[in-house]
Amino acid sequence: GAGVSQSPSNKVTEKGKDVELRCDPISGHTALYWYRQSLGQGLEFLIYFQGNSAPDKSGLPSDRFSAERTGGSVSTLTIQRTQQEDSAVYLCASSFFSNQPQHFGDGTRLSIL
Amino acid sequence: QKEVEQNSGPLSVPEGAIASLNCTYSDRGSQSFFWYRQYSGKSPELIMSIYSNGDKEDGRFTAQLNKASQYVSLLIRDSQPSDSATYLCAVKTVKTSYDKVIFGPGTSLSVIP
Repeated sequence: GAGVSQSPSNKVTEKGKDVELRCDPISGHTALYWYRQSLGQGLEFLIYFQGNSAPDKSGLPSDRFSAERTGGSVSTLTIQRTQQEDSAVYLCASSFFSNQPQHFGDGTRLSIL
Repeated sequence: QKEVEQNSGPLSVPEGAIASLNCTYSDRGSQSFFWYRQYSGKSPELIMSIYSNGDKEDGRFTAQLNKASQYVSLLIRDSQPSDSATYLCAVKTVKTSYDKVIFGPGTSLSVIP
């Protein structure tokens, strides 16, 4: 497709389980970003990839959160031992270069029971 | 001082009026500026980018940048109820070895019919 694709669109899981969220950026986009947005709140930056490396991981809230990007394309965000406060919409965005506008996916709505 | 600040609103304007949304930033080295619109339950979508001082117009939208005052604004002329959304300002700065895009908290706009 032409846009940023995220999967799954919705995920419901039990507290303590691990989850993996996937982002497929626009083809050719070198920069990839993960954000978290809780209901009624602003965007919370998590991590930024340039190619396969992550020069800025400063937003990851704890060591339960990790992310990787392979082949300069698809990225996965993994949350281990999920907690109820992890419930939010997780948004992925990509841009051609980091000085270009970001294009957002539709997000993954994560609910922790 | 937060790096990117916006009035949280809500900002209410009557239909047909001009809506003025403001954003200030702290890093004088900031180079690229973006306005996004986010409808409730949806992902942010890019409205405009602006890179140099002055005004940039696109249809009913005008972005204004004043780097000396560290201020960027978005004007929406002939506001429509469909413009009711949260507007996010994003600013690109340059850190030691990488670019960083910082989003403001957003301003909620309500256009009253």
